[in-house]
Amino acid sequence: DTGVSQNPRHKITKRGQNVTFRCDPISEHNRLYWYRQTLGQGPEFLTYFQNEAQLEKSRLLSDRFSAERPKGSFSTLEIQRTEQGDSAMYLCASSVMNWDRVRTNYGYTFGSGTRLTVV
Amino acid sequence: KNQVEQSPQSLIILEGKNCTLQCNYTVSPFSNLRWYKQDTGRGPVSLTIMTFSENTKSNGRYTATLDADTKQSSLHITASQLSDSASYICVVSYPNAGGTSYGKLTFGQGTILTVHP
Repeated sequence: DTGVSQNPRHKITKRGQNVTFRCDPISEHNRLYWYRQTLGQGPEFLTYFQNEAQLEKSRLLSDRFSAERPKGSFSTLEIQRTEQGDSAMYLCASSVMNWDRVRTNYGYTFGSGTRLTVV
Repeated sequence: KNQVEQSPQSLIILEGKNCTLQCNYTVSPFSNLRWYKQDTGRGPVSLTIMTFSENTKSNGRYTATLDADTKQSSLHITASQLSDSASYICVVSYPNAGGTSYGKLTFGQGTILTVHP
């Protein structure tokens, strides 16, 4: 499978617990993005990486959220002390970013997401 | 106010019929405009991508149009099939101040299309 892989597909956790999600991007992609999507809404940007560097974090990413991409390949998103408002689909995407100012972000591809339910 | 607005919010059509979904955006300037299809519980899948200089792009039964002057885009689906039932999301990507896009996408809220037999 050469697509973006996310694990687990579903996660149910009790409020206050910590959870960690994993994203494996397409192997040659140097950019990796995390989004959050709630029911009936479009995805909202959380953060993105260029290789192993985290270049931007949204204000949506509270102190309880942390993302890493230690070797520039897979990434993890951890949520500490989960709250019911964290229940959402967490989407990962990857792309190839080149420095041609006219054409950028080839192959922007999403994973199937991790559905988090906090009870 | 959302920078990408879609209409209608939901649409029900009969199998075999055509339909058109609308997208208005205020993000300017932008690098490209994309339409994605998202099945329930799945990640978005790209249908079309257009730069600001393109005004139409087709992908099978899907045809997207773009009017950069009025900041409007549409997605036309011909001969709809039951499998077209999904959420269709309009997405705009814009460059940062340095002139290169860092790839953050601004999403519309989506149009939920239901195709009935």
